This record gives sequence, structure tokens and C-alpha cells, in this order.
Amino acid sequence: GAGVSQSPSNKVTEKGKDVELRCDPISGHTALYWYRQSLGQGLEFLIYFQGNSAPDKSGLPSDRFSAERTGGSVSTLTIQRTQQEDSAVYLCASSLGPQFTDTQYFGPGTRLTVL
Amino acid sequence: GNSVTQMEGPVTLSEEAFLTINCTYTATGYPSLFWYVQYPGEGLQLLLKATKADDKGSNKGFEATYRKETTSFHLEKGSVQVSDSAVYFCEGAGANSKLTFGKGITLSVRP
Repeated sequence: GAGVSQSPSNKVTEKGKDVELRCDPISGHTALYWYRQSLGQGLEFLIYFQGNSAPDKSGLPSDRFSAERTGGSVSTLTIQRTQQEDSAVYLCASSLGPQFTDTQYFGPGTRLTVL
Repeated sequence: GNSVTQMEGPVTLSEEAFLTINCTYTATGYPSLFWYVQYPGEGLQLLLKATKADDKGSNKGFEATYRKETTSFHLEKGSVQVSDSAVYFCEGAGANSKLTFGKGITLSVRP
């Protein structure tokens, strides 16, 4: 079946512009995660959605970052007034159940480059 | 909270060499432990996992044993192949506690 998809695969933007990154989770998965993968920094947790509950935003690095999940499915990560340090690969993952111990299925990522 | 520490990389091995990638965790209680792998040009995918002490996860010739006495989940393979070249991440998560990934280690296997 279809896996997690993300779009765009690559995004180049100028400093100060806003960007939107999209994630389509696996159908039926209730949990959705966003991560940031920077060179040499591993995976940084950003935000977690579970069903219709309020998201866990504790990993968002600044108030320029926000995310929403519509209808318990598609999610959009928005970065306002992008900075060069925002350049990274942004990964989305989904899992079937609500627990952090459930296996996560990752999308291919969006590579963001801020000039 | 949970934390996971992986050995520093990168690691370069010859084909058929023995591989060990260390991973240790710090957690309240006993988290579930995972190894994820990211092959070149592909997304992360689960390699193996263990959910309780003394469990052994295995897949594609890789193994890792959950050892609570040493709080470790080291990844091993007896004979690596060129196709094992990838980035490997260790992860720990409790049922209701925040998950955490190690920084990842790049493995390169030479023919």
C-alpha cells in the first residue's frame, strides 16, 4: 500500500520567506510526527499529533514554526520568516497507534535550503 | 526524560567484516528500543526492535539484544555487505514518554 508521502521533495527559498511543507500519512494511522534532520545533528523531534487531541509542540524550535493537521490526516508544517539555520531535511512519520512505542513509518523527507 | 547515545561515526568496514554499533539509553523505567536505517536516497525504515529486557530483535542478519544491566541495545552483524552501507539510528521510547533518537552513524562498507 501507499506509504507516507511528503511534498515538495526539495524546496529552495530566500531568507525571510515563508514555506509550507506537506505530509500525507498512511491511511488509518492516528499518530503523526514531524522531525528535522540536520547534518551531524541526528533527528530532532518537532511536533506530534495524535487523533483529535491537542498536538505536542514541545519540540518546535521557535514561534516561527507551526503545524496543523486537518481532519486527522494531512499535515502541514509552516516556517515563517525562514532563516539559514532552518536549512535541513524535514521528515514526517506516522504510526498506527497512539503510543510512542509504536513503529513509525517515515516519508522521504523535504530538503529545505534557505539562501 | 529519555535519552539515547550512539557511538560516534563514521564507520568504514570491508565486506564480510563484523559490525558493532553501540547504543546506550537513559530512561525512567524500561523503554522500547529500536534501530532505524536510512539507505542512500531512501527514507528511514525500521530495522529491528525490542520491547522488554532480554528481548532480541533481528532482521536482515542484524541483531540487537536489550540489556537492562548495561542499559544498552548494541547493533551487530556478523558479516556486513556493501548493501548495508547506510545511516543507522538508535531510538528509545516509553509508552507515554517522549521518544528520542541517537545522532545516527554512517556505515560505509567497501567491496
